[in-house]
Amino acid sequence: QSALTQPASVSGSPGQSITISCTGSSSDVELYNLVSWYQQLPGKAPKVLIYGDTKRPSGVSNRFSASKSGKTASLTISGLQAEDEADYYCCSYAGVRTYVFGTGTKVTVL
Amino acid sequence: QVQLQESGPGLVKPSETLSLSCTVSGGSISDYYWSWIRQPPGMGLEYIGYIYHSGSTNYNPSLSSRVTISVDTSKNQFSLKLRSVSAADTAIYYCAYYGANDSFDIWGQGTMVTVSS
Repeated sequence: QSALTQPASVSGSPGQSITISCTGSSSDVELYNLVSWYQQLPGKAPKVLIYGDTKRPSGVSNRFSASKSGKTASLTISGLQAEDEADYYCCSYAGVRTYVFGTGTKVTVL
Repeated sequence: QVQLQESGPGLVKPSETLSLSCTVSGGSISDYYWSWIRQPPGMGLEYIGYIYHSGSTNYNPSLSSRVTISVDTSKNQFSLKLRSVSAADTAIYYCAYYGANDSFDIWGQGTMVTVSS
């Protein structure tokens, strides 16, 4: 199972919106409504931001939103803040009860 | 609120077995799935496998020949064993709770394991 493809880095200025893509295949992202997104602050464990393709857990800022079209899922961060500087990973169920993570995207706030 | 804490040796010799435990506090292990995920230094996340409280397991096919995950409900713990390790297994190992949202909802802080002689 190959890792999902994400851009290595995305940057934006405070207040701007940025979007991170996550491209998989017809066997994972496209087939199941089970894409989740995680934020990993430096030196910390990942934290779930999105589940079920587009749903946000309680307590997660509504500045984080997600969508999916075909084999590509996307995470959008609106109103970018300095505290959003982190690594972001997507994850998809890939059948046979296995999961595949994305390659990770480093977000830099300029 | 459920909390997870990994424990185990930080250094393992090549060809030996890596053994880690994850203690669940603030909740019962008899609830959904309990997972292991790892992250080599400076790299991305890799799913290792999960166990249900009943003992049923699922492993990443790329690691399945070397991995065993077990659960001890009396101690509210689950464990990871990875056999025949090499330097490629050097990573931060996280335990995580996979819940009803079908996501890895709660993570331990992670424990660094280095494979070196």
